[in-house]
Amino acid sequence: QQQVKQSPQSLIVQKGGIPIINCAYENTAFDYFPWYQQFPGKGPALLIAIRPDVSEKKEGRFTISFNKSAKQFSLHIMDSQPGDSATYFCAASAVSGGYQKVTFGTGTKLQVIP
Amino acid sequence: NAGVTQTPKFQVLKTGQSMTLQCAQDMNHNSMYWYRQDPGMGLRLIYYSASEGTTDKGEVPNGYNVSRLNKREFSLRLESAAPSQTSVYFCASRLAGVWNEQFFGPGTRLTVL
Repeated sequence: QQQVKQSPQSLIVQKGGIPIINCAYENTAFDYFPWYQQFPGKGPALLIAIRPDVSEKKEGRFTISFNKSAKQFSLHIMDSQPGDSATYFCAASAVSGGYQKVTFGTGTKLQVIP
Repeated sequence: NAGVTQTPKFQVLKTGQSMTLQCAQDMNHNSMYWYRQDPGMGLRLIYYSASEGTTDKGEVPNGYNVSRLNKREFSLRLESAAPSQTSVYFCASRLAGVWNEQFFGPGTRLTVL
């Protein structure tokens, strides 16, 4: 059962474009929504995260938009660069069984063409 | 700080062989995790250890065992490897607390023939 649905599976944009990756969740107990960036051959690394009491968060060229009522959140990458080419995972976490359980989306492979 | 380290980086096994994947962190984190990553399926939790001395099953624990050797080290054992366990395995750690991020290791690419 996929509790965090992520789309699209892959995305190709030209340099300077604004790729948008969307995620939807079902469990209203989720209380933390991080995005991870993964380069080939490396482990995922935290990119940006948002709490459900905030509708938008910006860090540099990366922005998370959060819609609590729709149970959806998205990642926007402004002025995308070839160095942003990576796989992006959304995630959602909640306390379950006494620990913080993180559920990941299936990932979006982004390619930014020069 | 080395962060989260994993050994080995690559491994090829034959069906039925056993092996242990090693993970260590030097950030004094309480919680440690083992995930597997398969194409189109994201990261799935195999086992976790909320603190030293405790381990619990995650989403896909069948065929695996874990040991939290001390606060730094968390190992994953495959007792009798199967082709379905071909995957990339990631270890992660985090400090206790709701908003704290998980730090991932570089991964172990395992192929079971």
